[in-house]
Amino acid sequence: DADVTQTPRNRITKTGKRIMLECSQTKGHDRMYWYRQDPGLGLRLIYYSFDVKDINKGEISDGYSVSRQAQAKFSLSLESAIPNQTALYFCATSDEWSVPDTQYFGPGTRLTVL
Amino acid sequence: GQNIDQPTEMTATEGAIVQINCTYQTSGFNGLFWYQQHAGEAPTFLSYNVLDGLEEKGRFSSFLSRSKGYSYLLLKELQMKDSASYLCAFTGGGNKLTFGTGTQLKVEL
Repeated sequence: DADVTQTPRNRITKTGKRIMLECSQTKGHDRMYWYRQDPGLGLRLIYYSFDVKDINKGEISDGYSVSRQAQAKFSLSLESAIPNQTALYFCATSDEWSVPDTQYFGPGTRLTVL
Repeated sequence: GQNIDQPTEMTATEGAIVQINCTYQTSGFNGLFWYQQHAGEAPTFLSYNVLDGLEEKGRFSSFLSRSKGYSYLLLKELQMKDSASYLCAFTGGGNKLTFGTGTQLKVEL
């Protein structure tokens, strides 16, 4: 079984809809991250969380929100989706006690906003 | 500010050696990572450098010069399955990774 899972894997939605992307991990890591990847722009950090009560904005948090429901779960929400949020979204986890604190990525969610 | 730069594309021949360069600028530096990403898949960890010098791991090696803000990934005995995007990323404070846009490597026969 995969250590980091994301649901759904693919999603097509319409402008203005609210959607949620979910991430679960069985690695026992405290730290979790959400990234988006766009052609030519690389991976950009949206939000990150170092434990259940910790939420931090990343480079491009506008238009997104997150919820860390438990150590193993970190959800990303788009309150009102817009076409320029069409991208490949990755969740990642890391262990603060590991050296290096390597991030391990989920399989990704391909989101299309029409 | 923070900046990271790597070539967009490279092509190499099966069995050859290829070097992918990465330059970065940052006020705080904790370490440099290389990830491999096949099309449509998740990035996977390849290597990490925190001190200057060469780290070797099988066919892959990574080099770091902190004073020059420079790293490279060296791939030896190239195989067709090495065709992928290679992502350079550094950590500053707080373990946040700043990624380059990736180098798309094509391995040809």
